[in-house]
Amino acid sequence: AQRVTQPEKLLSVFKGAPVELKCNYSYSGSPELFWYVQYSRQRLQLLLRHISRESIKGFTADLNKGETSFHLKKPFAQEEDSAMYYCALSGQGAQKLVFGQGTRLTINP
Amino acid sequence: DGGITQSPKYLFRKEGQNVTLSCEQNLNHDAMYWYRQDPGQGLRLIYYSQIVNDFQKGDIAEGYSVSREKKESFPLTVTSAQKNPTAFYLCASSIRRGGNNEQFFGPGTRLTVL
Repeated sequence: AQRVTQPEKLLSVFKGAPVELKCNYSYSGSPELFWYVQYSRQRLQLLLRHISRESIKGFTADLNKGETSFHLKKPFAQEEDSAMYYCALSGQGAQKLVFGQGTRLTINP
Repeated sequence: DGGITQSPKYLFRKEGQNVTLSCEQNLNHDAMYWYRQDPGQGLRLIYYSQIVNDFQKGDIAEGYSVSREKKESFPLTVTSAQKNPTAFYLCASSIRRGGNNEQFFGPGTRLTVL
């Protein structure tokens, strides 16, 4: 069965501090992993995906197959990073996504 | 502003009534999806459709029905059989070609059962 777990419902850090949002998954094959973000009063949108191996808005995420994790990291948090973050998984050849419960990130000034 | 539109933004329903949520896209995407978003539970897939005139149940399809008569449209009906329909409903679409699974989301419809 496919499952995505985000252990932290709420995460609060100060501006300029490093931030890490945790994501663990369960899938027997080779998954495709995503991070989606929902800013206040905006639509849910893709932040980044593991196959792109790119940094978006200073965020990076590395797929660790040994630990079945896809944690989202940013070295220096900014106030505009405050949002709801969802980790999602797509199985091989599948179109549908399985989402985690979400983590609400708050950056304090 | 194109992309995916959902209407209405807010919807109120009396118990025992069916209600239909609209989702339209002009992105020429083949696949469309309906999710339910509840606090602390993330997004849960209700139904999805990969092609016109075909759709599959998601994880929480009971009490819901859909149709996909046109590529651009994927309406969701919340029936009276849905025990806890008050929620925020999100529609999404994605292109199927090239293995690109990025989904684009609509603004959502908040349904409240009175």
